[in-house]
Amino acid sequence: AAGVIQSPRHLIKEKRETATLKCYPIPRHDTVYWYQQGPGQDPQFLISFYEKMQSDKGSIPDRFSAQQFSDYHSELNMSSLELGDSALYFCASSWDRWGGDGYTFGSGTRLTVV
Amino acid sequence: AQKVTQAQTEISVVEKEDVTLDCVYETRDTTYYLFWYKQPPSGELVFLIRRNSFDEQNEISGRYSWNFQKSTSSFNFTITASQVVDSAVYFCALSLETSGSRLTFGEGTQLTVNP
Repeated sequence: AAGVIQSPRHLIKEKRETATLKCYPIPRHDTVYWYQQGPGQDPQFLISFYEKMQSDKGSIPDRFSAQQFSDYHSELNMSSLELGDSALYFCASSWDRWGGDGYTFGSGTRLTVV
Repeated sequence: AQKVTQAQTEISVVEKEDVTLDCVYETRDTTYYLFWYKQPPSGELVFLIRRNSFDEQNEISGRYSWNFQKSTSSFNFTITASQVVDSAVYFCALSLETSGSRLTFGEGTQLTVNP
């Protein structure tokens, strides 16, 4: 079965650089979520999209932006990277807005800022 | 506002022992959803179960079982006859219809099953 695809799997950037993370949801899933998981921490909600519109916003820094495109894939853009942005970034998708199938998560993108 | 508490930071058991992971949640909403996820050392988040607030039936799936008690705001997870492959971090999570369906995770419980 198709899963949520995230790219890249690993990314190393220097301070003040920009990074773009991509997420391809499961086909026919119209809701996408982004989470950030710091080392040894639980995942924190960043932002979500439903039918290509932002549906909810969490603790996402102003340096970050995201969007969902017409093919439902989503991108998280991160600028002026800081050391504290080093984390595992997860994308999740669901076929309804309430996780009817449990919010399927991608394998994550591990971002390291040096 | 909502909150999930997993008081057990780390649990270590020997293979074949039963182990229960505790989860306590806080919300004033009457409609909510509870989840458990497994995060093995490889890092991915694996969905285990979803429960809505109106369904207090306990669930069993193979060696896994879940006990949902609204009276104590708890949603505990038991692994029977644990195996080394069960070693992982387990997260309990909560979502509300009124908060855009975002997941609020507990701090996680690191389970280590020793041979």
